[in-house]
Amino acid sequence: EVHLLESGGGLVQPGGSLRLSCAASGFTFSNYAMTWVRQAPGKGLEWVSLIRNDGGDTFYADSVKGRFTNSRDNSKNTLFLQLNSLRVDDTAVYYCARGGWASSIDSWGQGTLVIVSS
Amino acid sequence: EIVLTQSPGTLSLSPGERVTLSCRASIRLSGDHLAWYRQQPGQAPRLVISDASNRANGIPDRFSGSGSGTDFSLTISRLEPEDFAVYYCQQYGSAPYTFGQGTKLEIK
Repeated sequence: EVHLLESGGGLVQPGGSLRLSCAASGFTFSNYAMTWVRQAPGKGLEWVSLIRNDGGDTFYADSVKGRFTNSRDNSKNTLFLQLNSLRVDDTAVYYCARGGWASSIDSWGQGTLVIVSS
Repeated sequence: EIVLTQSPGTLSLSPGERVTLSCRASIRLSGDHLAWYRQQPGQAPRLVISDASNRANGIPDRFSGSGSGTDFSLTISRLEPEDFAVYYCQQYGSAPYTFGQGTKLEIK
């Protein structure tokens, strides 16, 4: 069974940084592209970033480009999202998800909440 | 960036009814790379349909997807209580892989 477990969320001041992690299990992690999606409170889903299976290519939403970095460690079956220069409107639940490169997202974690507030 | 517009925003329906949700893309999608997801309150989204018309594993046959190019739809033939949720379409043909704004199905 596919299992994705996000961690690293919390309260941070505007301009601060956080590093989110996503531990994957139940599948061959290195075979899959991975995606981050976020959802602000009471709002819809927003695609954030995708990293291909070997980490060679990454893609970002314009809203986070230059501030967020998507990376992975295939030896540890772990996905990361480094969030820098955080803004109040980055407040959201951040989901780690499997797939997304020329394919739908077929599995989702339960999300980790990031709150950006002074 | 491809913009996906879902309609309507909210629908009030009764269990057992049939419903069709719409998703329109701002430009033609390559390969019909469009998915539908269902999100129940307090839960993560779940894949319902991939590649415009393929039901995901475990999704009952009352769900069907159709469309190509710029116009896509999701039909639920007989609404069950668990189907009252928010539905999102997403394109994965061209980065950034955008979502629609969602359609909420609520119980009348």
